[in-house]
Amino acid sequence: GQQVMQIPQYQHVQEGEDFTTYCNSSTTLSNIQWYKQRPGGHPVFLIQLVKSGEVKKQKRLTFQFGEAKKNSSLHITATQTTDVGTYFCAVYSGGGADGLTFGKGTHLIIQP
Amino acid sequence: NAGVTQTPKFQVLKTGQSMTLQCAQDMNHEYMSWYRQDPGMGLRLIHYSVGAGITDQGEVPNGYNVSRSTTEDFPLRLLSAAPSQTSVYFCASSSEGNYGYTFGSGTRLTVV
Repeated sequence: GQQVMQIPQYQHVQEGEDFTTYCNSSTTLSNIQWYKQRPGGHPVFLIQLVKSGEVKKQKRLTFQFGEAKKNSSLHITATQTTDVGTYFCAVYSGGGADGLTFGKGTHLIIQP
Repeated sequence: NAGVTQTPKFQVLKTGQSMTLQCAQDMNHEYMSWYRQDPGMGLRLIHYSVGAGITDQGEVPNGYNVSRSTTEDFPLRLLSAAPSQTSVYFCASSSEGNYGYTFGSGTRLTVV
């Protein structure tokens, strides 16, 4: 099935700084999903990107899908303590292998 | 709506014991799946289902069985628990396999 590499594994930022996590694949992706997991919580779906070059925004969060549909990024502007958690990208294999394949996540740690 | 409900929230098993992790959703979703989450490994797909009566294996199916007799329920059975199955287990569902999944709150399982 499709695999995605996610970097960085950990990111420490001062509150108010920006944060970006990246997802990369060696193959063309049909779509990519982003999830957030708070410490001790469960993954929560944020957004799905489908189109080449797609950019979507949710308040301070900006999601991008690369032109070649092999990479994606999540950017948070002016981080707040409520942004703490792990951000995962996930891809849907489809066809004969349903279910999601997740990246290993980026842990966002915010220092006040 | 309750969404996706998992029981129990915590469980300790002895090596060799069997048990069933319960998962129920009230959103009439056809797609359901089970994941395990281990430190540094992200979420890995165990089994998935695309509708009642249809199940298939994911990335790490060994030691686990599933069945899907109704749209609502998707239990995960551990046949003979091993310490390597110590993990946090998440059940998830989606109306369309290639769109965002709703996750349950998880079951934290320890095998001693």
